[in-house]
Amino acid sequence: KQEVTQIPAALSVPEGENLVLNCSFTDSAIYNLQWFRQDPGKGLTSLLLIQSSQREQTSGRLNASLDKSSGRSTLYIAASQPGDSATYLCVSFAGGTSYGKLTFGQGTILTVHP
Amino acid sequence: NAGVTQTPKFQVLKTGQSMTLQCAQDMNHNSMYWYRQDPGMGLRLIYYSASEGTTDKGEVPNGYNVSRLNKREFSLRLESAAPSQTSVYFCASSELADSYNEQFFGPGTRLTVL
Repeated sequence: KQEVTQIPAALSVPEGENLVLNCSFTDSAIYNLQWFRQDPGKGLTSLLLIQSSQREQTSGRLNASLDKSSGRSTLYIAASQPGDSATYLCVSFAGGTSYGKLTFGQGTILTVHP
Repeated sequence: NAGVTQTPKFQVLKTGQSMTLQCAQDMNHNSMYWYRQDPGMGLRLIYYSASEGTTDKGEVPNGYNVSRLNKREFSLRLESAAPSQTSVYFCASSELADSYNEQFFGPGTRLTVL
């Protein structure tokens, strides 16, 4: 059974700092790995999706990497801003017999203070 | 495009009451999903519908029923609510269920069972 673990559980940084969120997964037979952002009381917003054949994806100040062999993914946020404050979820996608199974990490709560 | 919409946003029930959570998507997706999110647990799949006319159990289906009313709508019913069902419920949709298609999430329904 796939397990996805995110470290740290919470992170508080001053504005402008570069930071890294970590995600590890136990089953490397994944199709892709996705990072979501969740704001308080809101749904999930997809940030980056890395296919299993890819090593990284970039969008603006965000860069996500994937190392299937070691079962790890990282989300790098450059020049953090207060608006980046949210919960970040790492989600693995594995193929199934009838549906693709998402396994969610418990999230990292990020607070960026001015 | 509204994407994935859910009603209601908030609901308080007494133990034993019943209710239906509604979900609709306007992206012409084939597959739809219901998740619950609990503190420290991540999101867990309750039921999914790979295509119109089919529904299947996910990881935590006990105490719930679903109906895929048409291609757009997928409802979740609690027949006799229990305090253990206090949670935030998310509906999601994707183009297909069994390949690596991105899932799009609704804003969630916060349910409290007293």
